[in-house]
Amino acid sequence: DTAVSQTPKYLVTQMGNDKSIKCEQNLGHDTMYWYKQDSKKFLKIMFSYNNKELIINETVPNRFSPKSPDKAHLNLHINSLELGDSAVYFCASSPQGSGYQPQHFGDGTRLSIL
Amino acid sequence: AQSVTQPDIHITVSEGASLELRCNYSYGATPYLFWYVQSPGQGLQLLLKYFSGDTLVQGIKGFEAEFKRSQSSFNLRKPSVHWSDAAEYFCAVRGPGGGNKLTFGTGTQLKVEL
Repeated sequence: DTAVSQTPKYLVTQMGNDKSIKCEQNLGHDTMYWYKQDSKKFLKIMFSYNNKELIINETVPNRFSPKSPDKAHLNLHINSLELGDSAVYFCASSPQGSGYQPQHFGDGTRLSIL
Repeated sequence: AQSVTQPDIHITVSEGASLELRCNYSYGATPYLFWYVQSPGQGLQLLLKYFSGDTLVQGIKGFEAEFKRSQSSFNLRKPSVHWSDAAEYFCAVRGPGGGNKLTFGTGTQLKVEL
């Protein structure tokens, strides 16, 4: 069973469109994250949710809106897509609290803006 | 603010040779340190972690890392590299005492010559 699954794996769309990426984890974790990996492979956190509550929001444009219907799901909706949004988006999860527990990552969603 | 530096962007080694990937961190206290590996088109897989105790930690796939507080380093090593180790390697730091975000280094791409 895949621990952290993201859909879709690839997303190709045009500038100005609105799109969503879904993430689900079956590890029973309380905390979920979205990271963005740019073309130079640099990974940076975007959001973190703990039990459906937003706890980290790293100066991400408000075109990006995470939604957590329950603690096993964290979806990412992006409005008015721009060329600079092209990247790989990774979802991750971890148990609540303890900093030494590693985060488990999904396989990523490669978003390409035409 | 915490930060992670991986000085080597690319490293090429011959199969069977030893490997050391460098990681330096900047943090006020003892951080929680992680090494992740990313194969092409895949998500990040945890290799090993350190948060306390023995400064030499063993991970999966024959990797180990040594925490050196005096040098603020957490270098990853493997005595004999296999062709399947070719991938991108990321060092990451996570502060203890609250705050769940991982701060990643810029990654080191490992190529293995046969």
